[in-house]
Amino acid sequence: GDSVTQMEGPVTLSEEAFLTINCTYTATGYPSLFWYVQYPGEGLQLLLKATKADDKGSNKGFEATYRKETTSFHLEKGSVQVSDSAVYFCALSGKGRRALTFGSGTRLQVQP
Amino acid sequence: KAGVTQTPRYLIKTRGQQVTLSCSPISGHRSVSWYQQTPGQGLQFLFEYFSETQRNKGNFPGRFSGRQFSNSRSEMNVSTLELGDSALYLCASSLDGQGQETQYFGPGTRLLVL
Repeated sequence: GDSVTQMEGPVTLSEEAFLTINCTYTATGYPSLFWYVQYPGEGLQLLLKATKADDKGSNKGFEATYRKETTSFHLEKGSVQVSDSAVYFCALSGKGRRALTFGSGTRLQVQP
Repeated sequence: KAGVTQTPRYLIKTRGQQVTLSCSPISGHRSVSWYQQTPGQGLQFLFEYFSETQRNKGNFPGRFSGRQFSNSRSEMNVSTLELGDSALYLCASSLDGQGQETQYFGPGTRLLVL
């Protein structure tokens, strides 16, 4: 079945550092890929998405590129802020399926 | 446009009781999905409703059920509560529930079973 693997956290960075959170997936066909963010005490917010190979999703300085050859969708940001501290989830939606399959989440803590 | 709303936000129940959670999707959205989030199992898909019909179901026991009304609002019910049902229950809505569509999540209902 479909699965998503994320790098283990927590990830602790200093403000203005470069961020990479690795995400790889297993799925048949060409799934749609998503990054969601969850702030303490809140639900999930869509950060960005990509629906086909080589697409780049971007939002609020975050980027991720859909790499079919490496089945990856790594999240990057050039300069993190304290306000980026949250839990980040990589997810996929398989072709024709309506359920999201999530990774285990990566907690990011940014220190001033 | 108002986002997805869930009520109540917090619930405390005891083992053996039953509970009903409510979700109001974004106006115009016809697909509603439910997810359970726990520290041990992460985020897991429960079920999805579209036009008052359950279209997709995750791997949960029959104690977990749901329904959708003609205005797209949805409820989920958990009967005979167990300690392991303590979790954050998230509802998400989308226009038609197609795979590449964005699902918009509500703030969740946090259920504690004692």
